Amino acid sequence: ETGVTQTPRHLVMGMTNKKSLKCEQHLGHNAMYWYKQSAKKPLELMFVYNFKEQTENNSVPSRFSPECPNSSHLFLHLHTLQPEDSALYLCASSQAGRLSGANVLTFGAGSRLTVL
Amino acid sequence: AQSVTQLGSHVSVSEGALVLLRCNYSSSVPPYLFWYVQYPNQGLQLLLKYTSAATLVKGINGFEAEFKKSETSFHLTKPSAHMSDAAEYFCAVSVPIEKLTFGTGTRLTIIP
Repeated sequence: ETGVTQTPRHLVMGMTNKKSLKCEQHLGHNAMYWYKQSAKKPLELMFVYNFKEQTENNSVPSRFSPECPNSSHLFLHLHTLQPEDSALYLCASSQAGRLSGANVLTFGAGSRLTVL
Repeated sequence: AQSVTQLGSHVSVSEGALVLLRCNYSSSVPPYLFWYVQYPNQGLQLLLKYTSAATLVKGINGFEAEFKKSETSFHLTKPSAHMSDAAEYFCAVSVPIEKLTFGTGTRLTIIP
């Protein structure tokens, strides 16, 4: 496989469930990102990892817990979510972290999350 | 901090007509500017980027954008719309050591 792959593509969960989103990139990039995409709102950057180290957390609630075991894999662990957390969660990767400014992000197709 | 404004959340054009999607940015230092496109049920993909070289940037699928510093604009154009251009388009801005900031997006509809 090439590019950025996200699984599952669709997820429905109750507020008491625990689930995880997975992202894998086959591009040799060293930075990975989680974004939240909600209707009528700009993309919200959630987390950034550079060389497996978290370099940015945009005041994301603790019910979202990221994990980056290596530069190719990124997880988003979900627990006790709220209905307003329903959104499309996009994973992206890039060649360098945000220091460059000219980063081109490669996005996955997203995981559509519905919280009941 | 930088910001970007996309005028018009929805734009409709007839097939074969000019496509113009507007983007204005705010930045205290010379910015990098991007246009991304999102087709239904897909992630975002890069259309084109401006990184302080030529002010007229050509991208994929016949799209281009012109950086106008005096107007703080980076509008996206395509001379002739095709049905396959129907998608959501996002303008984004970044500067060194700052995060990429996206606009709210413009949904482009092509009328047959």
